[in-house]
Amino acid sequence: SAVISQKPSRDICQRGTSLTIQCQVDSQVTMMFWYRQQPGQSLTLIATANQGSEATYESGFVIDKFPISRPNLTFSTLTVSNMSPEDSSIYLCSATGLAGATDTQYFGPGTRLTVL
Amino acid sequence: EDKVVQSPLSLVVHEGDTVTLNCSYEVTNFRSLLWYKQEKKAPTFLFMLTSSGIEKKSGRLSSILDKKELFSILNITATQTGDSAIYLCAVGENSGYALNFGKGTSLLVTP
Repeated sequence: SAVISQKPSRDICQRGTSLTIQCQVDSQVTMMFWYRQQPGQSLTLIATANQGSEATYESGFVIDKFPISRPNLTFSTLTVSNMSPEDSSIYLCSATGLAGATDTQYFGPGTRLTVL
Repeated sequence: EDKVVQSPLSLVVHEGDTVTLNCSYEVTNFRSLLWYKQEKKAPTFLFMLTSSGIEKKSGRLSSILDKKELFSILNITATQTGDSAIYLCAVGENSGYALNFGKGTSLLVTP
């Protein structure tokens, strides 16, 4: 499988600030996604990052809070805006279409965010 | 209402034991079921299942899907301490590429 990297791997932020997380895949992929995993919970899909157009958000997530970019087939960013302690989570990007595997989602290493 | 339900939520076994993890689902247009192992942050892909009755196997891990009864099991034989992790089950639907994740089973293998 291709390598998916995320930056930063972790961060501690003050409430009211914003953080942008980067996701880089070392080969072109079909789809990229952003998930959130709150403490003790499973993964929840935030949005599908569409290349060259606006992301598709799941119920409960809005663009103003989680703006997403995907300027090309190998890179995406997620911004967590105006953060509050409730945003403390692991944020994960994933991708499909790696090595021809259209259905299998592979995950990046995650970004652990703590908001004080 | 959870679309994917895993059981048990947690499990403690001794090295060498065999464990069976369960995943039941209820989705409208099933496409695939995936198992992941999560040790720290990143879920690591284990298996993808699309057809009933066909066992997928990798070393000591195996998994099978029953599309009639809407469940899957993940078996781990001769468990080792390195198998300690959260095992996640996820189901994909034909309506899109998003995955519905269960809450996971936390497995602890003690020496």
